[in-house]
Amino acid sequence: EPEVTQTPSHQVTQMGQEVILRCVPISNHLYFYWYRQILGQKVEFLVSFYNNEISEKSEIFDDQFSVERPDGSNFTLKIRSTKLEDSAMYFCASSEVRGAGYTFGSGTRLTVV
Amino acid sequence: KNEVEQSPQNLTAQEGEFITINCSYSVGISALHWLQQHPGGGIVSLFMLSSGKKKHGRLIATINIQEKHSSLHITASHPRDSAVYICAVPTDGNQFYFGTGTSLTVIP
Repeated sequence: EPEVTQTPSHQVTQMGQEVILRCVPISNHLYFYWYRQILGQKVEFLVSFYNNEISEKSEIFDDQFSVERPDGSNFTLKIRSTKLEDSAMYFCASSEVRGAGYTFGSGTRLTVV
Repeated sequence: KNEVEQSPQNLTAQEGEFITINCSYSVGISALHWLQQHPGGGIVSLFMLSSGKKKHGRLIATINIQEKHSSLHITASHPRDSAVYICAVPTDGNQFYFGTGTSLTVIP
């Protein structure tokens, strides 16, 4: 069964450093998403991406965050200058159509120290 | 304000028991998703439903759009069902409102 692949599975970074989280969505999917889950809290929406541009973003997704689909297969989330509170599990998801048929990746656990 | 409320938050069951997890939402929706989060953190989509009932193996999901309520049932529960079950509803856009999850532990 097709999967959404995320790498790395766990990343530890120093506060203030830039991190790039990588995702390979399912190949025929057109909509891409990033979510995060701070430990012990519920999953939160960050951003959705369609047709090479951001279609929606939450207030969490400030200027420190950016997304890119550099080569038609990878979908990346960049955090420019990490803060301690960015420590969370970050999930990528993709869907073939808007609002349905989501497949989630297994997540990247980001720890900012 | 929570657009999506789940109950119970925690649930412990003996193997073989019938389990029900409830989800109520306050926003108008076209569909509702049930997700399963494994102990390692990964998320799997179980169901998307917009009316009636869906069944997949021992899992059954029902929804009542008028009452804005959905239930996830697990028949003949097994320890491998132990996970966090999350109810999520999409907004008009591409966001989801997520419930806080129900942590299920099935004891052998």
